[in-house]
Amino acid sequence: QKEVEQNSGPLSVPEGAIASLNCTYSDRGSQSFFWYRQYSGKSPELIMFIYSNGDKEDGRFTAQLNKASQYVSLLIRDSQPSDSATYLCAVGKGSSNTGKLIFGQGTTLQVKP
Amino acid sequence: SAVISQKPSRDICQRGTSLTIQCQVDSQVTMMFWYRQQPGQSLTLIATANQGSEATYESGFVIDKFPISRPNLTFSTLTVSNMSPEDSSIYLCSATGVPSRNIQYFGAGTRLSVL
Repeated sequence: QKEVEQNSGPLSVPEGAIASLNCTYSDRGSQSFFWYRQYSGKSPELIMFIYSNGDKEDGRFTAQLNKASQYVSLLIRDSQPSDSATYLCAVGKGSSNTGKLIFGQGTTLQVKP
Repeated sequence: SAVISQKPSRDICQRGTSLTIQCQVDSQVTMMFWYRQQPGQSLTLIATANQGSEATYESGFVIDKFPISRPNLTFSTLTVSNMSPEDSSIYLCSATGVPSRNIQYFGAGTRLSVL
């Protein structure tokens, strides 16, 4: 079992729809969770982080965390063609503050005009 | 957030040679890391660059192949030694503490091709 799992996609949604990206992780001790966006040929760009169970909203983005189910998700409302990218879920390794991140394989999102 | 600069941005190298990649942050940071991203793959952590001491390597990565230095808080280098075509990849530097010590930001990466 991979430490962080994502559906590689591609996930295709029409412009204006809600895109839902999912991620599961294996380490119950993990305390920090991140979503990065990576455009083709570019480096990862942080878009959301979440530490506590529940929802965290920032503009069109909502991160959801359920530690009991070891599940974290990212919702993108009113999806735009510019949101087309690969979304990487990253989980802080272990319960101690080493700063290390374990990345999922990424989900490719395609937003069609 | 701070600016993380990497150079070179890309290089084409011959088998058996070595390449040193530099990473410079424009403000003091807590931690610096080096990642590899192979074509079509996600990021794999190579090591944590420790200031003034030996880097901490992840399983599957060794100092002889990937020597790392971090002489001060804002600068680190990664050397890819004795390269083979399998080392063709994107190498990324990241840093935390800019502004939050728990959040990593990335440099633009170095795209390496080994012939």
